[in-house]
Amino acid sequence: GQNIDQPTEMTATEGAIVQINCTYQTSGFNGLFWYQQHAGEAPTFLSYNVLDGLEEKGRFSSFLSRSKGYSYLLLKELQMKDSASYLCAPRGATNKLIFGTGTLLAVQP
Amino acid sequence: DAMVIQNPRYQVTQFGKPVTLSCSQTLNHNVMYWYQQKSSQAPKLLFHYYDKDFNNEADTPDNFQSRRPNTSFCFLDIRSPGLGDAAMYLCATSPDRGGTDTQYFGPGTRLTVL
Repeated sequence: GQNIDQPTEMTATEGAIVQINCTYQTSGFNGLFWYQQHAGEAPTFLSYNVLDGLEEKGRFSSFLSRSKGYSYLLLKELQMKDSASYLCAPRGATNKLIFGTGTLLAVQP
Repeated sequence: DAMVIQNPRYQVTQFGKPVTLSCSQTLNHNVMYWYQQKSSQAPKLLFHYYDKDFNNEADTPDNFQSRRPNTSFCFLDIRSPGLGDAAMYLCATSPDRGGTDTQYFGPGTRLTVL
């Protein structure tokens, strides 16, 4: 079967660093995406990993371990505008994205 | 700016009254997707078009249909909306279906069924 597991909610402080973990089981694997979704808005693309290791893009980094079925999204220097849901979405053998329910991050002053 | 546009942003319909949601894109992407997202849930893929080739998900109800008259436009038709169909409907596009191709989402249409 296919399963995505992320924490439901997280809270962090402005200026801090937060790591959002995702474990997945898919039929086949063709990369993993992270999306940010503000309340009532569409998901926006953050990062893509297909090989093991860390991909860094400004304040956001994403890590992948294919053998462990594990990824994380690292957000540095948190800002209030980073309060949003973060969706982990591996792509399976059929090349379709399989979305998790997301992690709702609340950034507090 | 190249983008994915959805109209309307908010749609109210009555139980059982057909409704059509529209999506257009200026990205010239081959693939267009329709997702349904209910509150606090993951986006659920309903179907996608790869060029003119329609691909329905096995668990998408027959009540949902789609049309893609040309590369730029794609429509979602809900033939007889039920209360359970109230959701955000997201359109997304991608250049192709694999590789590093990212899906780009439109702003969504929030459907209310009275």
